[in-house]
Amino acid sequence: KQEVTQIPAALSVPEGENLVLNCSFTDSAIYNLQWFRQDPGKGLTSLLLIQSSQREQTSGRLNASLDKSSGRSTLYIAASQPGDSATYLCAVPPGGYNKLIFGAGTRLAVHP
Amino acid sequence: DTAVSQTPKYLVTQMGNDKSIKCEQNLGHDTMYWYKQDSKKFLKIMFSYNNKELIINETVPNRFSPKSPDKAHLNLHINSLELGDSAVYFCASSPRTGGLNTEAFFGQGTRLTVV
Repeated sequence: KQEVTQIPAALSVPEGENLVLNCSFTDSAIYNLQWFRQDPGKGLTSLLLIQSSQREQTSGRLNASLDKSSGRSTLYIAASQPGDSATYLCAVPPGGYNKLIFGAGTRLAVHP
Repeated sequence: DTAVSQTPKYLVTQMGNDKSIKCEQNLGHDTMYWYKQDSKKFLKIMFSYNNKELIINETVPNRFSPKSPDKAHLNLHINSLELGDSAVYFCASSPRTGGLNTEAFFGQGTRLTVV
């Protein structure tokens, strides 16, 4: 049974810091891994989809890496800004089909 | 132009009532989903539909009945609402059910409060 864990659960940092959010999963048989952002009271915004054959995916100040064999992904946020404050969720489709299994999220607060 | 839209955004109702949440996607995707986010913010799959056909029912009580009139719409009807049904319900869609490039897109959520 696929389980997804995110560490840390919460993070509070001053503006400008580079951050690393961690995601681990128990079953390495995945097709891809997706990172989302959720603002309070809002829906989920897809940030990055990283395929199982890829090691990295980048979008602006965000960089996601994937190590399937060790069951880990990291989301790197460069030069953090207060607007980055949100909950970050990672999710994988178990066996590649039909649904996403989510981690509990990392709640990020970036203060000026 | 919203990709995945759901209505209503907020729903407050009494125990025992029946209510529906509507979802529409304009992405041309084949697969649609309902997820539930509980009070601890944990997201869990409820249903998956592919081209109007149910492919996953994740042990959801049969008071919850999804309906897909076409592949762009997936509605959720809930009978005999209970206090424990209070949560945020998210609709989502993806190009297909599995394999590569199955990026999922989510709606804004419907916050259901049962009193």
